[in-house]
Amino acid sequence: GAVVSQHPSWVICKSGTSVKIECRSLDFQATTMFWYRQFPKQSLMLMATSNEGSKATYEQGVEKDKFLINHASLTLSTLTVTSAHPEDSSFYICSARGQRDSYNEQFFGPGTRLTVL
Amino acid sequence: EDQVTQSPEALRLQEGESSSLNCSYTVSGLRGLFWYRQDPGKGPEFLFTLYSAGEEKEKERLKATLTKKESFLHITAPKPEDSATYLCAVQVGGGGNKLTFGTGTQLKVEL
Repeated sequence: GAVVSQHPSWVICKSGTSVKIECRSLDFQATTMFWYRQFPKQSLMLMATSNEGSKATYEQGVEKDKFLINHASLTLSTLTVTSAHPEDSSFYICSARGQRDSYNEQFFGPGTRLTVL
Repeated sequence: EDQVTQSPEALRLQEGESSSLNCSYTVSGLRGLFWYRQDPGKGPEFLFTLYSAGEEKEKERLKATLTKKESFLHITAPKPEDSATYLCAVQVGGGGNKLTFGTGTQLKVEL
């Protein structure tokens, strides 16, 4: 149980284009989903928190107009990187927290490697 | 500001050589401390949650303990497949459900 998937697993795009990353909770309903970014040899940095049906809460320093988050259902959240630039190249990971016995844990997806040329 | 510090940054062990990883934290109102394992190019895999000082949890060769200032992840008789980066994270009261991660300990277990 507690499986979270991400799609795509990797993507290469040209500078200036937009990229959408999907995060799905496969066997539970995720009331809250989180998006992280991880640069090489560094730890996970939280970008934003999204609750189903409401606007995402962004961490300080994260541009909400650049990183669009939608959490339209209890099993799906999307992150759209708009007008991507090479400095946006990173490993993007989502996590989900749901209404389970172990309600407090976050379960992570496998990550999406974004490379912007 | 909440801070999480992990040590050592990297650790190399021989197979069967037990050791401990440290996670020190400075937070206001700890709600939970989490341990994750992360393999290269993959998302973190949940290991343990600890909620109060004195609590211990075990899973196979791993045992996590918690005090008021730090947590230890003890690895008993490690095997090469235990090689990974081990991350700890804290969740504080009043901070929603977000996690603040440490920088991790990169563990390599050699034959």
